[in-house]
Amino acid sequence: ETGVTQTPRHLVMGMTNKKSLKCEQHLGHNAMYWYKQSAKKPLELMFVYSLEERVENNSVPSRFSPECPNSSHLFLHLHTLQPEDSALYLCASSQDRYSSYEQYFGPGTRLTVT
Amino acid sequence: AQSVAQPEDQVNVAEGNPLTVKCTYSVSGNPYLFWYVQYPNRGLQFLLKYITGDNLVKGSYGFEAEFNKSQTSFHLKKPSALVSDSALYFCAVRDGRGYQKVTFGIGTKLQVIP
Repeated sequence: ETGVTQTPRHLVMGMTNKKSLKCEQHLGHNAMYWYKQSAKKPLELMFVYSLEERVENNSVPSRFSPECPNSSHLFLHLHTLQPEDSALYLCASSQDRYSSYEQYFGPGTRLTVT
Repeated sequence: AQSVAQPEDQVNVAEGNPLTVKCTYSVSGNPYLFWYVQYPNRGLQFLLKYITGDNLVKGSYGFEAEFNKSQTSFHLKKPSALVSDSALYFCAVRDGRGYQKVTFGIGTKLQVIP
């Protein structure tokens, strides 16, 4: 266990549905991240939160909406997704975003958009 | 711009033999280099990192990596492979100047053959 949990582990949703992914870290870290992992592609950094403030948004479509209510929790709200959004979504945390600290990843949510 | 390359999609090695997973990088400043491993249906797990100091870095599960500045490489090595080492391995780089995001490679699948 890495100290980062994600729920649900698997999610199947239609293109008109609204769902949310949840991430929780038990490590006392100040930075949290959302990544998208697709086969044969590098990890795509989607969002970065530092001390609950969004500090990076890498041209992610507005159908993905992050929320960080406190330093331990991170959500990714999903609505009107496309089939190409099917992927493994990984949450990660690190001590902070400015330094040499490694990231700790959750197990991911396998998302399938039908 | 920073980048990382993992030239091999897959590496096959017999159990008990030494293994090497290759990684080369490009950054403008001093590199922070990381190796992560991903087992099936799991998130990425930190193995080791190079920030500064000794070029040979030792990490979890008997893995080590050697930083070579002239060749801009950071190859992952293990003296004796185990079947349980079979997984997907990711190299990552971050420019050590200020805040820069981490760039991940596309991963190398390691298959250890009994």
